[in-house]
Amino acid sequence: SQTIHQWPATLVQPVGSPLSLECTVEGTSNPNLYWYRQAAGRGLQLLFYSVGIGQISSEVPQNLSASRPQDRQFILSSKKLLLSDSGFYLCAWSVSGETQYFGPGTRLLVL
Amino acid sequence: GESVGLHLPTLSVQEGDNSIINCAYSNSASDYFIWYKQESGKGPQFIIDIRSNMDKRQGQRVTVLLNKTVKHLSLQIAATQPGDSAVYFCAEKAPHDYKLSFGAGTTVTVRA
Repeated sequence: SQTIHQWPATLVQPVGSPLSLECTVEGTSNPNLYWYRQAAGRGLQLLFYSVGIGQISSEVPQNLSASRPQDRQFILSSKKLLLSDSGFYLCAWSVSGETQYFGPGTRLLVL
Repeated sequence: GESVGLHLPTLSVQEGDNSIINCAYSNSASDYFIWYKQESGKGPQFIIDIRSNMDKRQGQRVTVLLNKTVKHLSLQIAATQPGDSAVYFCAEKAPHDYKLSFGAGTTVTVRA
């Protein structure tokens, strides 16, 4: 069966510090991968998606970037965090482009 | 741009009653729809989906109804239980797109 992992689960970072969140998927090949951000009590905002290694589509211009160095690995990064980067970050995978399966999320607090 | 929206942001339901969560979508070209349940502090969990060539689909205690004429989607939960308390999101997808467009979410609270 397929599983998706995200780490860390929780992160507290100072403003201006770098960020690296990792997502890995097991049990499937060549998945579509997605990064979402969710503000407290709000909906899901798609940040990036990838349909293959090295292929990244950006949905929202901001100080975040994404990379896909391996087929089942998706990384979300920032060089300098802003207060507004706080939120719940969710990774998801899909093989059909339809049903997306979400990971447990990373809660990021920027102080 | 077009987006999926929800009629009601909150819903309070008596335990044992049926719940109905509504969703309006604006992209008439969307051909795939899906419902997720998100419990506090967790990632969204797939509940049920439906394609545009269907108007009803049933799962375990859940039914999704699609009315393409008025671009309306609903999720019915039978015999609502305390464990059904969560935020429910609908989402839509257009043909040949890799992305889902999510609604704002409805918070369901089950009263004992």
